Amino acid sequence: NAGVTQTPKFQVLKTGQSMTLQCAQDMNHEYMSWYRQDPGMGLRLIHYSVGAGITDQGEVPNGYNVSRSTTEDFPLRLLSAAPSQTSVYFCASSYNRQQWVDTQYFGPGTRLTVL
Amino acid sequence: KQEVTQIPAALSVPEGENLVLNCSFTDSAIYNLQWFRQDPGKGLTSLLLIQSSQREQTSGRLNASLDKSSGRSTLYIAASQPGDSATYLCAVGGSNYKLTFGKGTLLTVNP
Repeated sequence: NAGVTQTPKFQVLKTGQSMTLQCAQDMNHEYMSWYRQDPGMGLRLIHYSVGAGITDQGEVPNGYNVSRSTTEDFPLRLLSAAPSQTSVYFCASSYNRQQWVDTQYFGPGTRLTVL
Repeated sequence: KQEVTQIPAALSVPEGENLVLNCSFTDSAIYNLQWFRQDPGKGLTSLLLIQSSQREQTSGRLNASLDKSSGRSTLYIAASQPGDSATYLCAVGGSNYKLTFGKGTLLTVNP
């Protein structure tokens, strides 16, 4: 198993540009989520999904969209990038849709800079 | 709203020392607590998961305890090694299907 994979590893955007961060897992996990990690702020939940076709907002959803058309993939879209979205983004997954029950598996992260 | 605090923010110890990392949370109505390790520039790796009905979990040189009533957890690392140097994060799982993370403790083990 490759586990949780994320692409790209690094990205630089200009203000107003859009892009999609990719996340995939090959463990047949029901639950997938996106976090952002900022210095002094810890990890904050952006969006999560408890299965294909089901998504919901986390703590900091503004400026981000998600969809879950398959069990394996959970892309995160930035609609119009802003400097405040400069961060490290992590995708995570767990087998159980009640994500707090199960061990979380994290991807390696995408480091995004918005100029 | 659940808040998770980790003390200290940074810790430096000589190799071989036993050490304790602390995690406290404000709402005791949790379902579980997890400890993670994060190496610089990497993702998080789950170390231990303690269900709310459990008091502790052990894996190798690591032992995590949970006291729900007092809102505290500790991660004990025995005989620390330079390879243990990393940031350690705790996260609590609550009834809103979400994990709440602390900001982490940066551990440095000096040879």
